[in-house]
Amino acid sequence: EPEVTQTPSHQVTQMGQEVILRCVPISNHLYFYWYRQILGQKVEFLVSFYNNEISEKSEIFDDQFSVERPDGSNFTLKIRSTKLEDSAMYFCASRDSHSGANVLTFGAGSRLTVL
Amino acid sequence: AQTVTQSQPEMSVQEAETVTLSCTYDTSESDYYLFWYKQPPSRQMILVIRQEAYKQQNATENRFSVNFQKAAKSFSLKISDSQLGDAAMYFCAYRRGGTASKLTFGTGTRLQVTL
Repeated sequence: EPEVTQTPSHQVTQMGQEVILRCVPISNHLYFYWYRQILGQKVEFLVSFYNNEISEKSEIFDDQFSVERPDGSNFTLKIRSTKLEDSAMYFCASRDSHSGANVLTFGAGSRLTVL
Repeated sequence: AQTVTQSQPEMSVQEAETVTLSCTYDTSESDYYLFWYKQPPSRQMILVIRQEAYKQQNATENRFSVNFQKAAKSFSLKISDSQLGDAAMYFCAYRRGGTASKLTFGTGTRLQVTL
């Protein structure tokens, strides 16, 4: 079954450093998402992306965050200057335009630890 | 704004028994979708079951079924013949119809399965 692949699985970084989290969505999917889950809390929407532009973003997705689809396969989330509170699990998800119930398929997540 | 409420932070069920997890949501939309996702200790988000709002028939996937009460805006998950592998966090999620619209998650219910 097709999968959404995320790398790295775990990254430890120092506060103030830039981090790039990578995602390879399912190949025929057109809609892409990033979500965040701080340990013990609910899954929060960050941003959605379609047709090479941001469709929607949450208030969490401030100027420190950016997304990019640099080629036909990768979808990246960049955090420019990490803060302690950015420590979380980051999930990428994708969806095609034809799935009957608009199901998002999630990757296994990238755990980010900011020290 | 759409909200999803899961009022049970934790539930416990004995192996082979049945358990029901509650979820309510608030929306003014008529076109939307509802989902239950499972998050085991690995923290991957796994789709359990989905329901289209326009369908009156409750969705069923093997041991998992839902009780969708549209007027009451209630969407509970029933797990029959519970197994040890069912132990996980369960998140209820809502998505309005449309193109790139996001999933909104509840706060989750942690399900323990005991022998």
